[in-house]
Amino acid sequence: RKEVEQDPGPFNVPEGATVAFNCTYSNSASQSFFWYRQDCRKEPKLLMSVYSSGNEDGRFTAQLNRASQYISLLIRDSKLSDSATYLCVVNTLLTGNTPLVFGKGTRLSVIA
Amino acid sequence: EPEVTQTPSHQVTQMGQEVILRCVPISNHLYFYWYRQILGQKVEFLVSFYNNEISEKSEIFDDQFSVERPDGSNFTLKIRSTKLEDSAMYFCASRDFSGRVNEQYFGPGTRLTVT
Repeated sequence: RKEVEQDPGPFNVPEGATVAFNCTYSNSASQSFFWYRQDCRKEPKLLMSVYSSGNEDGRFTAQLNRASQYISLLIRDSKLSDSATYLCVVNTLLTGNTPLVFGKGTRLSVIA
Repeated sequence: EPEVTQTPSHQVTQMGQEVILRCVPISNHLYFYWYRQILGQKVEFLVSFYNNEISEKSEIFDDQFSVERPDGSNFTLKIRSTKLEDSAMYFCASRDFSGRVNEQYFGPGTRLTVT
């Protein structure tokens, strides 16, 4: 069973659309959760950490459901610059020196 | 804004050769990591490093791999005898010691091509 699963997409949406990505993780001991974005052949860049209560950063909203082991990312009012691959990432510790576990990513293309 | 830097950006080497990939983590960070990403695949953990020693390593990180912090700023990954399957993007990452959640910041990567 894959540790972090994501729909690979691609999601092709028009500018201004709202798009949602989902992610499930298999390790119930996971403690910290993140969304990273990755542009083609570039490094992953931290988009936001995901907290139990859910959190919002501008047009981006992340939700966590520990019971279902499910994480989501909502992007409102999509911009052309949002086109990228969105990586769901988990970690088994809240702090400490442990590795991140990545999903394969969901590709988003925002079209003019 | 402080960034992780990596050199070279692209390295081409022949099978069996040794390569050293270099990273300069963010200056006040104390935890360092190497990850790799084979083209079209997910990012995979290789090794973590803290207080001048390896904290954890994956099964990918076999005897052909080693890491070193030769001075106060550089963090290196050495592959002793490269194989074709080592061709990938290699990312260095670092995080601070603030006790916050494990937010790791990645460098731009080194594209390693083994021919």
